[in-house]
Amino acid sequence: QKEVEQNSGPLSVPEGAIASLNCTYSDRVSQSFFWYRQYSGKSPELIMSIYSNGDKEDGRFTAQLNKASQYVSLLIRDSQPSDSATYLCAVSGGYQKVTFGTGTKLQVIP
Amino acid sequence: DAGVIQSPRHEVTEMGQEVTLRCKPISGHDYLFWYRQTMMRGLELLIYFNNNVPIDDSGMPEDRFSAKMPNASFSTLKIQPSEPRDSAVYFCASSLRDRGIEELFFGEGSRLTVL
Repeated sequence: QKEVEQNSGPLSVPEGAIASLNCTYSDRVSQSFFWYRQYSGKSPELIMSIYSNGDKEDGRFTAQLNKASQYVSLLIRDSQPSDSATYLCAVSGGYQKVTFGTGTKLQVIP
Repeated sequence: DAGVIQSPRHEVTEMGQEVTLRCKPISGHDYLFWYRQTMMRGLELLIYFNNNVPIDDSGMPEDRFSAKMPNASFSTLKIQPSEPRDSAVYFCASSLRDRGIEELFFGEGSRLTVL
């Protein structure tokens, strides 16, 4: 079993819709959770971090964490074509080691 | 401020040759990470340093891979001899403990092709 699992996609949503990206992790002691965005041919960049159960909102982005279910999600409201990218879920157990999922490719259709 | 700087951006070499990838972290950052990214395996952590000292190299795939950080502003990842299966994008990232060491700042990556 992979440590961090994501559906590879592509996930296609129309412009203006809500995009929902999901991630599960296997290590129950994980403490920190992140979403990175990676445009094609570019490097990953951090867009959200979440450390406690519940929702965290930042602009059009909402991260959701459920530690009991070992589940992290990212919602993107009012999706824009510029949101088209690969979204990487990342998990850290507090020992400075960040493990990434293989990413979900999002396509926002104009 | 300058970000993480990696060189070369692209490297094409033949099997058996030595490859050296270079990284300059963000000034003041005390953690440096080397990742490898492929379509099949995604981003894999190879090794990371804290204050120039290697902390965890369990992700280094084989003895053919080695990494050094002689000072706070420079690190190298060396592959000798290289093999076609080493073809990937190699990312260097740095972070600052006070900001939460998991907030990684990535360089542009070095795309390696081994023929």
